[in-house]
Amino acid sequence: NAGVMQNPRHLVRRRGQEARLRCSPMKGHSHVYWYRQLPEEGLKFMVYLQKENIIDESGMPKERFSAEFPKEGPSILRIQQVVRGDSAAYFCASSDLGRGREQYFGPGTRLTVT
Amino acid sequence: AQSVSQHNHHVILSEAASLELGCNYSYGGTVNLFWYVQYPGQHLQLLLKYFSGDPLVKGIKGFEAEFIKSKFSFNLRKPSVQWSDTAEYFCAVNAQGGSYIPTFGRGTSLIVHP
Repeated sequence: NAGVMQNPRHLVRRRGQEARLRCSPMKGHSHVYWYRQLPEEGLKFMVYLQKENIIDESGMPKERFSAEFPKEGPSILRIQQVVRGDSAAYFCASSDLGRGREQYFGPGTRLTVT
Repeated sequence: AQSVSQHNHHVILSEAASLELGCNYSYGGTVNLFWYVQYPGQHLQLLLKYFSGDPLVKGIKGFEAEFIKSKFSFNLRKPSVQWSDTAEYFCAVNAQGGSYIPTFGRGTSLIVHP
């Protein structure tokens, strides 16, 4: 019974490189959400996607960040030209269309930019 | 837009002490309410949820929460904590009938001394 899968669990990138974070939702879930968590802060919503559609990207920085959830395969959060301030834990969650839409979280990807 | 306040950022208790973590939200409409727990180095796990009905909801591991609509509160309680309850606790709210994107509180760090 696979839950939400994320990989890699840890990612180290030098400034200016690209980071690609992957998320496979729980079986049967068609909604994916990406969050960023910084130390001493809560979860900050970034983007909400359904298959082949971005539903809400109000939390995404306007530049360098993009997300997709293709018809086949995992959802991808892409950060171009990373900077030290991008270092954080990035969590993916998925939900179905059930009542309340409670979210189930993946283990996260800890991105470190050196 | 909704907002969530968790007033206790850090709580330190001894084993067997009782726990109450505060959560207040602001939103004019009908909401769904959640408490999540994040054990050190792990992902968020759903503790309990409230959609409607009995305002006292019971979750896993002996936790419960009470929804008081007049106070816009959803406080988390446990009569007797254990060392293994040491974790970060997050309250979250989403709006029924809206995008269902949750807003998370900043989190409360609980340390339980054996």
